Amino acid sequence: DIQLTQSPSFLSASVGDRVTITCRANQDISSYLAWYQQKPGKAPRLLIYAASTLQSGVPSRFSGRRSGTEFTLTINNLQPDDFATFYCQQLNNYPQTFGQGTKLELK
Amino acid sequence: EVQLVESGGGLVKPGGSLRLSCEASGFSFSTYSMNWVRQVPGKGLEWVSSISSTSRFIQYADSVKGRFTISRDNTKNSLFLQMNSLRAEDTAVYYCARILVYMSSTTSGSALDIWGQGTMVTVSS
Repeated sequence: DIQLTQSPSFLSASVGDRVTITCRANQDISSYLAWYQQKPGKAPRLLIYAASTLQSGVPSRFSGRRSGTEFTLTINNLQPDDFATFYCQQLNNYPQTFGQGTKLELK
Repeated sequence: EVQLVESGGGLVKPGGSLRLSCEASGFSFSTYSMNWVRQVPGKGLEWVSSISSTSRFIQYADSVKGRFTISRDNTKNSLFLQMNSLRAEDTAVYYCARILVYMSSTTSGSALDIWGQGTMVTVSS
């Protein structure tokens, strides 16, 4: 199975900050990586797919990048609505797998 | 409006069965592959099962293989998950999700672009 390791697990930041979350795969998954945002009691929301393509309706302050088997999600100019838990997911191989999540909290 | 609505969750005893449903609306359901994903409250996301648009291709997580069965009825725009021999560790919120497949000249990928609101399954005596 493909393992995705997200870092950090917890992140404390302020409104207006820029933050980066990393997701490392233990083998090649091409660009079959997606990023999701989840708020308490809600379903996940797709942010980024194909490693760097912004989902329709997602603010442009969110961006994704791939470098080999390392993927990053960057949020520029953090807004109050951005504080949530973020997950990466690979859909290159079955079983599909998720990273363990990164909780972004307001400092 | 593009929407997925799950139903069928509830409280069931260990060893029991439950059938989850997911009704799709606002899009051409028969052309999309679909997923079930679960989440233990307060924990991370776990992929459970996938089914292709025609039901030809089906995959299961090892943790549910042999106990859960995914199916769909394209005439009723519905996805199902039959869960048998339920265990305490199956307790979770179960989400259905649509699989988006993306291809361009430079890259390709897939993702879960539409999710239902989730239905809670509790396995307890």
